[in-house]
Amino acid sequence: DTAVSQTPKYLVTQMGNDKSIKCEQNLGHDTMYWYKQDSKKFLKIMFSYNNKELIINETVPNRFSPKSPDKAHLNLHINSLELGDSAVYFCASSQDGTSGVDTQYFGPGTRLTVL
Amino acid sequence: AQSVTQPDIHITVSEGASLELRCNYSYGATPYLFWYVQSPGQGLQLLLKYFSGDTLVQGIKGFEAEFKRSQSSFNLRKPSVHWSDAAEYFCAAPDFGNEKLTFGTGTRLTIIP
Repeated sequence: DTAVSQTPKYLVTQMGNDKSIKCEQNLGHDTMYWYKQDSKKFLKIMFSYNNKELIINETVPNRFSPKSPDKAHLNLHINSLELGDSAVYFCASSQDGTSGVDTQYFGPGTRLTVL
Repeated sequence: AQSVTQPDIHITVSEGASLELRCNYSYGATPYLFWYVQSPGQGLQLLLKYFSGDTLVQGIKGFEAEFKRSQSSFNLRKPSVHWSDAAEYFCAAPDFGNEKLTFGTGTRLTIIP
């Protein structure tokens, strides 16, 4: 009955590799997000999609590419991983994210470690 | 752009004692304000939110927060903390145009017996 799920929970990989993180929500929400939380717990939005359309695209390296095959899924693909990409990545969803005032529901996070 | 400040990085409180976590925001005459909690190894969960109306907002787990426009603050309180309240607490507010949430840097709460 998990509302927002992410896979994998942990990801350890070498520099230069390409990896993907998957996110699914079963809440029927229209909007999904990716956040990055660094080692100091600072949480920053990366992307958001509303009904499969990109609506927020923060200044992130173009090595990061989100993909939304349908409104229940938002995946994050990262090319040429770097040490600085090590962080916890959170997926979230909300009913209508065209305004930031909607309650967001977060997944459990994916801890990415780049060696 | 909106900025949310949580002045306390880490707070330690004895179990059963009262708690107040501070939050200040920079933008918005009538802001929307949120408190989220992140338990160890978990995602964030909404504790409470303020949109308008009564400035004292009740949330889950016995938490409440008070919006004070004159101080641009939205402090979180709990009269008696439990060991299970140990977590990271984030205050958040939407950015200009309400398109995205800006989070504060978080306050880590430690509970001692």
